[in-house]
Amino acid sequence: DAKTTQPPSMDCAEGRAANLPCNHSTISGNEYVYWYRQIHSQGPQYIIHGLKNNETNEMASLIITEDRKSSTLILPHATLRDTAVYYCIVRGAFGNEKLTFGTGTRLTIIP
Amino acid sequence: DAGITQSPRHKVTETGTPVTLRCHQTENHRYMYWYRQDPGHGLRLIHYSYGVKDTDKGEVSDGYSVSRSKTEDFLLTLESATSSQTSVYFCAISPGQGAGANVLTFGAGSRLTVL
Repeated sequence: DAKTTQPPSMDCAEGRAANLPCNHSTISGNEYVYWYRQIHSQGPQYIIHGLKNNETNEMASLIITEDRKSSTLILPHATLRDTAVYYCIVRGAFGNEKLTFGTGTRLTIIP
Repeated sequence: DAGITQSPRHKVTETGTPVTLRCHQTENHRYMYWYRQDPGHGLRLIHYSYGVKDTDKGEVSDGYSVSRSKTEDFLLTLESATSSQTSVYFCAISPGQGAGANVLTFGAGSRLTVL
């Protein structure tokens, strides 16, 4: 599996857009980018995933660069409840599962 | 989390005792996983299962064994618990097919303390 690199921490003002970057320069053609978040001590929660096109759902938007070597998760109007650790991982869509998480980005929303 | 439950949620035990954590799902998902989470290490995969009686090791499998005798249950056993196994353990499931084949759904976690 391709490795990912994320900044260890970020701050964002409440109400502003939070942009979380992820580098995955060794991603292969059939690997998707997945984002999860973990609020306090809860289990991680799935946010969004994509292959090469930008994706949007009710929680966030995912922007993947044309060369697919990096991506950005966008929370359009951050609230205090978005304070969490955000994980970016890459994995194939199907097949043998061995998903591994790194240490992610700790996002703090500032009132 | 809907469709996946872990038990017990909290356990304190002594070094050398056996411990079994249970993960139960009602989603009929093919894949099940056990992760542990420790400060500074993020989530690390212990074992996973890709079907009934089909399991494989993750990156931190030493000292742990698993069993999956039916689709809905995945058991994690510490044969002889050590203090280094004090951690929060998360179970996860994924369908293995369809549009969200690799999307994981996590349980609420089991906090284990080994004294």
